[in-house]
Amino acid sequence: KAGVTQTPRYLIKTRGQQVTLSCSPISGHRSVSWYQQTPGQGLQFLFEYFSETQRNKGNFPGRFSGRQFSNSRSEMNVSTLELGDSALYLCASSSEGGSQPQHFGDGTRLSIL
Amino acid sequence: GQNIDQPTEMTATEGAIVQINCTYQTSGFNGLFWYQQHAGEAPTFLSYNVLDGLEEKGRFSSFLSRSKGYSYLLLKELQMKDSASYLCAVRDLDSGAGSYQLTFGKGTKLSVIP
Repeated sequence: KAGVTQTPRYLIKTRGQQVTLSCSPISGHRSVSWYQQTPGQGLQFLFEYFSETQRNKGNFPGRFSGRQFSNSRSEMNVSTLELGDSALYLCASSSEGGSQPQHFGDGTRLSIL
Repeated sequence: GQNIDQPTEMTATEGAIVQINCTYQTSGFNGLFWYQQHAGEAPTFLSYNVLDGLEEKGRFSSFLSRSKGYSYLLLKELQMKDSASYLCAVRDLDSGAGSYQLTFGKGTKLSVIP
C-alpha cells in the first residue's frame, strides 16, 4: 500500500509569490491534515479536510488555504509569501476512527528568499 | 486551546532505559499519540493511549493518566538508531465543529550515546 505522497519535495520562492503544494493520501483515507513544521514552533496544525470539506482550521492567516478533491487528494496554497513561511510543510492522512493514527508524507521543504 | 509540554532535549546511553514525559491541558480529550521523527524525515506513529494505563509494544511502552494530564514514553534497551525527536500529540474533540483536532508538542530530541 503506497504511503502519503507529497510534491514537490523542495521549493524555492521569493517574497510576494504564491505556491501550491500537493498531497496524495493513502488509498482509502478520506481525512487529510496539513501542518507547518519549524525548528522554533514545532508542528503546527494548519487545517484538515474530509470529504472535500474543511473540517478544522488552525490559527494561520487567510493567506494559507487548501482544498480537497473527490479522490481525497489535497492541495495547499500560500499567497503573498513571507520570509517567515519558510518551513517544512507536512501532510498526513488517516482513516476514520478515534484510534487511527495519522500517517505523514515526507513533506515539502519551502524556502523563501 | 491546548498546552502540551515535553522536555526539549534528553541524552541517554546505549542499552539503557529512558522515559520521555509529556503533560497536557485540554478539554474534550480523546486520545494521546506518540510519534518518532528522525532528522529530515516524516514523523512515524509509535503508540496510542486513550484509557489510563500502560500500552506495551516491543521495546517501546506508553503510559497515560487522564486525571493528571500526563503521559510518558518509555524506551528500553536503547539503540543508536533511537536517536530522534519524539513528539507527543493530543487529540481532542472540538464540540463546536463536531470534529477532532490533533495538537503536537514541540518534541523531545533524544540523543543516544555509546
